[in-house]
Amino acid sequence: QKEVEQNSGPLSVPEGAIASLNCTYSDRGSQSFFWYRQYSGKSPELIMSIYSNGDKEDGRFTAQLNKASQYVSLLIRDSQPSDSATYLCAVTGSAGSNYQLIWGAGTKLIIKP
Amino acid sequence: EAGVAQSPRYKIIEKRQSVAFWCNPISGHATLYWYQQILGQGPKLLIQFQNNGVVDDSQLPKDRFSAERLKGVDSTLKIQPAKLEDSAVYLCASSVQGLLNEQFFGPGTRLTVL
Repeated sequence: QKEVEQNSGPLSVPEGAIASLNCTYSDRGSQSFFWYRQYSGKSPELIMSIYSNGDKEDGRFTAQLNKASQYVSLLIRDSQPSDSATYLCAVTGSAGSNYQLIWGAGTKLIIKP
Repeated sequence: EAGVAQSPRYKIIEKRQSVAFWCNPISGHATLYWYQQILGQGPKLLIQFQNNGVVDDSQLPKDRFSAERLKGVDSTLKIQPAKLEDSAVYLCASSVQGLLNEQFFGPGTRLTVL
């Protein structure tokens, strides 16, 4: 059973601090990795995609991928109350999986003013 | 560029009734997905279409759920008859076919079965 694991939280971070969200996955053949943000009552919104080892930065967001450790993380710098949401990690299966996403259950992030 | 459209946004039905959901993907996206999301869980894939063909429907409860994408564009998902445990948010997503597979979601339909 291919799995994606996330700490459910809630993760509470003071405004202006760095929020660090983590995700591990079981399928060594996974090739594409995504972070989605989901506000309460809304649908998931893609915020970061990463495909190779290392860091990828987009504004206040940095995604980090370590395929050897099967680990992907999302850092949010200068956290704002508007960043309070559930963050879903999603990973494509290995070849032959029709590029379907395997989803974590999400980490609830709370930014305290 | 218009996003993924879904309707209705909310639906309340009695158990054993039927319901249908509609989705129009982003223009040019060949792959369309229907997901079910229960509160506190990640989305669960129900069915994946590539153009107008079914790629995977292994998690679709076929005794009560059906889906079609007749012209390779918009799609409908039907439940008949509905059960209490079908109460969930039904999400439609689309992507350009290929490995990168960035999926973009519509607003979802919140279904309540009483």
